[in-house]
Amino acid sequence: GQQLNQSPQSMFIQEGEDVSMNCTSSSIFNTWLWYKQDPGEGPVLLIALYKAGELTSNGRLTAQFGITRKDSFLNISASIPSDVGIYFCAGHPISGTYKYIFGTGTRLKVLA
Amino acid sequence: DGGITQSPKYLFRKEGQNVTLSCEQNLNHDAMYWYRQDPGQGLRLIYYSQIVNDFQKGDIAEGYSVSREKKESFPLTVTSAQKNPTAFYLCASMDRWRGNQPQHFGDGTRLSIL
Repeated sequence: GQQLNQSPQSMFIQEGEDVSMNCTSSSIFNTWLWYKQDPGEGPVLLIALYKAGELTSNGRLTAQFGITRKDSFLNISASIPSDVGIYFCAGHPISGTYKYIFGTGTRLKVLA
Repeated sequence: DGGITQSPKYLFRKEGQNVTLSCEQNLNHDAMYWYRQDPGQGLRLIYYSQIVNDFQKGDIAEGYSVSREKKESFPLTVTSAQKNPTAFYLCASMDRWRGNQPQHFGDGTRLSIL
């Protein structure tokens, strides 16, 4: 099955630093989702994007729906230790099925 | 509180044994999904159901079976034919009648082989 290219795969950052990650696809999507997963738990929805160019914030998190509709970006500002976890993107193809395609995740570790 | 409940949290399977993972939702969602997650990998779709009494194979359905007799419930059976069942299993649901709604996830079941 198709999976999205998500980068970076992992990153270590210092507390207080800003974080950027992205997802790219060869297909056009009409919805992008960003989730965070803590160890041993299910993914929790952070941000949902529905229009090309859309920029949406949730606290210190900001995500954007790429203009080409083939990519999306997530930024975390002023990281804190509880930001640690795995961040997944998910995209919904324009084919009209009720399935999302998931990225392989970015593992974030924050050094205090 | 509305949500998705998966049980058990941890499950152990003996060789040759079938085991069933439970997924219940009270969100009144029509669509439900089962994913498998292996370390360092993304989510792979096993089965999904868009409506009661109907379900479709996902990308890795071999060795698994499902049923959808009630809107609230979508149990997954890991059969003895699944030779590498050790993984984290996630159930999700979605309100498919309101455009491209997000999928919401349960807290997962970790399956291991004895």
